[in-house]
Amino acid sequence: NAGVTQTPKFRILKIGQSMTLQCAQDMNHNYMYWYRQDPGMGLKLIYYSVGAGITDKGEVPNGYNVSRSTTEDFPLRLELAAPSQTSVYFCASKGQGGTGELFFGEGSRLTVL
Amino acid sequence: AQRVTQPEKLLSVFKGAPVELKCNYSYSGSPELFWYVQYSRQRLQLLLRHISRESIKGFTADLNKGETSFHLKKPFAQEEDSAMYYCALIMRGAGSYQLTFGKGTKLSVIP
Repeated sequence: NAGVTQTPKFRILKIGQSMTLQCAQDMNHNYMYWYRQDPGMGLKLIYYSVGAGITDKGEVPNGYNVSRSTTEDFPLRLELAAPSQTSVYFCASKGQGGTGELFFGEGSRLTVL
Repeated sequence: AQRVTQPEKLLSVFKGAPVELKCNYSYSGSPELFWYVQYSRQRLQLLLRHISRESIKGFTADLNKGETSFHLKKPFAQEEDSAMYYCALIMRGAGSYQLTFGKGTKLSVIP
């Protein structure tokens, strides 16, 4: 199993540009999450999904959108990039029941200039 | 409101010295807590969960409901323990399951 795969690993955007961060998992997990990690601020939840077709906002959803058309994929879209969205983004997934452990991707470092 | 507090941004200890990474929480429900670790250039991974009462890589953590704490401890630090450590609290809702993370503590073990 590849686990949780994120692409791209690095990206530089200009202010106002749009892009999509891809996240895929091959563990048949129901729950998927997007976090952003800022220095000294820890991880903040952007959006999450409890299954295909169901998404919900986390703590910091403004400026982002998500979709969950399949169990495997959970893309995060930035519509009008702003410097405040410069961050490292992590996707994670969790199976139903079990230990409650989240499995993380390697992260995507985004810089908005 | 639920909150996880890690008061130290950076903790430096010498190799062989004891380590304690502090974590305090506030939560109205029954708390379920985790420690996650991020080694340099690696993805975030689970280290410990309080319900297991296990010792992983020499680390232990005990949930103290009276003090609302879940401190991470190791009696003798090793250089390979240098990493970013995050304390996390589970929030369960109707059909939802979210993890709230603290701001993290960077542990630096000095040779």
